[in-house]
Amino acid sequence: SSELTQDPAVSVALGQTVRITCQGDSLRSYYASWYQQKPGQAPVLVIYGYNNRPSGIPDRFSGSSSGNTASLTITGAQAADEADYYCNSRDSSGNHVVFGGGTKLTVL
Amino acid sequence: QLQLQESGPGLVKPSETLSLTCTVSGGSISSSSYYWGWIRQPPGKGLEWIGSRHYSGSTYDNPSLKSRVTISVDTSKNQFSLKLSSVTAADTAVYYCVRLYLPRGVVVDSWGQGALVTVSS
Repeated sequence: SSELTQDPAVSVALGQTVRITCQGDSLRSYYASWYQQKPGQAPVLVIYGYNNRPSGIPDRFSGSSSGNTASLTITGAQAADEADYYCNSRDSSGNHVVFGGGTKLTVL
Repeated sequence: QLQLQESGPGLVKPSETLSLTCTVSGGSISSSSYYWGWIRQPPGKGLEWIGSRHYSGSTYDNPSLKSRVTISVDTSKNQFSLKLSSVTAADTAVYYCVRLYLPRGVVVDSWGQGALVTVSS
């Protein structure tokens, strides 16, 4: 079982804002990173650290954290954002890497 | 532009050892900033951390797989490899080789395209 918990599925209307969350005790000490995976493709890093976006990631993607919960927010969701999203970080010991179970985002 | 490319058999028999190699181009595997690792994804399921290794020898592993996993780094060839022993059907997955660094968290900033490995007799 994963030490990071994500909702299995979330939906959003086209152009609206959606928040995808990741919960875990280790997130009180460590940042989460977020990855987008489309069918048949490798995951892509979209958010890391304290709300940092790699080059080429649209600024509608943002990250935040409070207590034991990290969030990925998409402001003005596009059809191209329909994908699986995974968070990852360290476990509570800091010695191991863990992934959340993933959230399937549907854009209506 | 860093590129990672997995290579190895796509079919492995139960109880045998799965072996994959990742060739790194566009960057040095001897960089002090990065670890080199493996992540897998069973068909229709989520991502699972396998482990990683720094060229200096430091590692981050998965306790549930540690006894069966060996990750090695070959700086002369700019490659790293994965060996997973005593495989079963549960090890059938797409295996990704990755580059990562570990600030106050974990950042996997480069991924290979993935290699499907099926465990079957």
